[in-house]
Amino acid sequence: GAVVSQHPSRVICKSGTSVKIECRSLDFQATTMFWYRQFPKQSLMLMATSNEGSKATYEQGVEKDKFLINHASLTLSTLTVTSAHPEDSSFYICSARAGDGNIQYFGAGTRLSVL
Amino acid sequence: AQSVAQPEDQVNVAEGNPLTVKCTYSVSGNPYLFWYVQYPNRGLQFLLKYITGDNLVKGSYGFEAEFNKSQTSFHLKKPSALVSDSALYFCAVRELNDYKLSFGAGTTVTVRA
Repeated sequence: GAVVSQHPSRVICKSGTSVKIECRSLDFQATTMFWYRQFPKQSLMLMATSNEGSKATYEQGVEKDKFLINHASLTLSTLTVTSAHPEDSSFYICSARAGDGNIQYFGAGTRLSVL
Repeated sequence: AQSVAQPEDQVNVAEGNPLTVKCTYSVSGNPYLFWYVQYPNRGLQFLLKYITGDNLVKGSYGFEAEFNKSQTSFHLKKPSALVSDSALYFCAVRELNDYKLSFGAGTTVTVRA
């Protein structure tokens, strides 16, 4: 089946630093990738939709300058949390839309802890 | 606007008993419906989907779901639950021309031995 790899799985950083999270589709080309944020015991909140070769579309309330998304190839999208603060600590999950377009396959998630 | 409701925060069943996780949805037009499962500190795993066709959809790990248009429901079922089915289950919906998924709040399933 379709596999999405997300790296790193866990990152701890100091307040004010930037953190980059990678999302790769390993065995398929993903024209669209999605970035979600999940708080403990809550549902997934869509942050942005990332289309290869174009600017990401951010959901209302998500700061585009804070969460930089790059989708430079059909298999890679990155999310950079700039100048991270403790309130950015969360579980970030990416997904990629497979060829038939109907199923999103998810990465394993990244646990970000900002000290 | 599309939305999903999972009315139960938690479902507890004994191993070997039937498992049902409820989901209702609201969407303009025909829905595309999905179930995902999430284990602790992991991403979501796709279980099954309904796009069109038979109302009863069979998926991974022995799960199935029944689409009921009149009740706008898409309940997840498994005839005989296993302890390993203990996890967080999400129902999701999207519309025909929008690839963005809307997720329910999730239902924690606990299967006791």
